[in-house]
Amino acid sequence: QVQLQESGPGLVKPSQTLSLSCNVSGYSISSGNFYWAWIRQPAGKGLEWIGRIYSNGHTNYNPSLKSRVTIFVDTSTNQISLRLTSVTAADTAVYYCARDVVGSFDFWGQGTLVAVSS
Amino acid sequence: DIQMTQSPSSLSASVGDRVTITCQASEEINNYLNWYQQKPGKAPKLLISDASKLETGVPSRFSGRGYGTDFTFTISSLQPEDVGIYYCQQYDHIPRFTFGPGTIVDL
Repeated sequence: QVQLQESGPGLVKPSQTLSLSCNVSGYSISSGNFYWAWIRQPAGKGLEWIGRIYSNGHTNYNPSLKSRVTIFVDTSTNQISLRLTSVTAADTAVYYCARDVVGSFDFWGQGTLVAVSS
Repeated sequence: DIQMTQSPSSLSASVGDRVTITCQASEEINNYLNWYQQKPGKAPKLLISDASKLETGVPSRFSGRGYGTDFTFTISSLQPEDVGIYYCQQYDHIPRFTFGPGTIVDL
């Protein structure tokens, strides 16, 4: 069974960089076949797709976040990572990683709450 | 970007009721439409892909249909465990995936 687990700081100061990791188990990212995505959800609000990465490092990003987002993959540790720069309170959200099957997100992590506050 | 709208934004129904949610895309998206269920404090769960394909293990009381810009999601007989928020999501314009605002289903 594929499992994903997000990790990272729960609190980030405004203007700083948010960094999260997602450990994937039950499937080797290096096998290909799927993209691996980041999606976020502010409290009480809807879902926003942030971006995705393939095993070869190919990425796609949400145009609204593209200037601030980088997604990495480490196939040796079977992890993907998210970096979001110059954060503001508007970036406070639960961040999920998920497996992307041609645009359908079939396995999700439990999510990790990141608050942006001084 | 393609905008997704859902109606109603919330509904309250009784156990055994038939519940229908609509999702409309701002542009044609063929049948590239998913439905997710999210329970409080949990990640969304994929229920239906390709507008009408039930994911493995999802109860048959859930169904979806539609093509182009207009889609519907139906729970044929609402159960207590179906309470949650339901989202549609388009994946026609890869990779600019967008979600609907969600529909709260309550008892």
